[in-house]
Amino acid sequence: AQSVTQPDIHITVSEGASLELRCNYSYGATPYLFWYVQSPGQGLQLLLKYFSGDTLVQGIKGFEAEFKRSQSSFNLRKPSVHWSDAAEYFCAVGAVVGGSQGNLIFGKGTKLSVKP
Amino acid sequence: KAGVTQTPRYLIKTRGQQVTLSCSPISGHRSVSWYQQTPGQGLQFLFEYFSETQRNKGNFPGRFSGRQFSNSRSEMNVSTLELGDSALYLCASSLGTGGPTYEQYFGPGTRLTVT
Repeated sequence: AQSVTQPDIHITVSEGASLELRCNYSYGATPYLFWYVQSPGQGLQLLLKYFSGDTLVQGIKGFEAEFKRSQSSFNLRKPSVHWSDAAEYFCAVGAVVGGSQGNLIFGKGTKLSVKP
Repeated sequence: KAGVTQTPRYLIKTRGQQVTLSCSPISGHRSVSWYQQTPGQGLQFLFEYFSETQRNKGNFPGRFSGRQFSNSRSEMNVSTLELGDSALYLCASSLGTGGPTYEQYFGPGTRLTVT
């Protein structure tokens, strides 16, 4: 069965420091992979996606992620964190069910706190 | 383009009642998916509708149902509410066909509290 693991429940970084959020997935074929961000009381905003091709994908707000098939990982990175990046981040994989679009399977999320 | 809209944003219901939540997708999107988000279980897929047909369903009891209209707007209904149904219900829309249609755009959610 498809699954997504985000090993870190909560991460705290200093403003201006670099960030890496980990995501590992379990999926039989080439996955569709996503990172979403959720601010308190809000819906999910799509940060970036990987469908195929270049394994390093760029997203909004200065985020990037690298797909590593050999490690079944899709880690999210940002070179310099801003206080406004404090939020919860979700990694997701698109599942195929009966040949149709299926649904997104989400990790449990990583809450990011930013120290001034 | 306007984003995904959900109404109402907040709802308080009593155990045993039923509730209907509404979702209007992004213009041109034909697929609407619903998710339940709770602190304990995280984000869980409820169902997906495409062109008025339920195309995929998650592992939820039959008390949870939905439908989609010809204009792609969708509603979900929960009957005989239980305390455990308290959650943020998120609607997401996408094109609905082909690989990139996995690209789902989420609404702000409806916060349901069952007392």
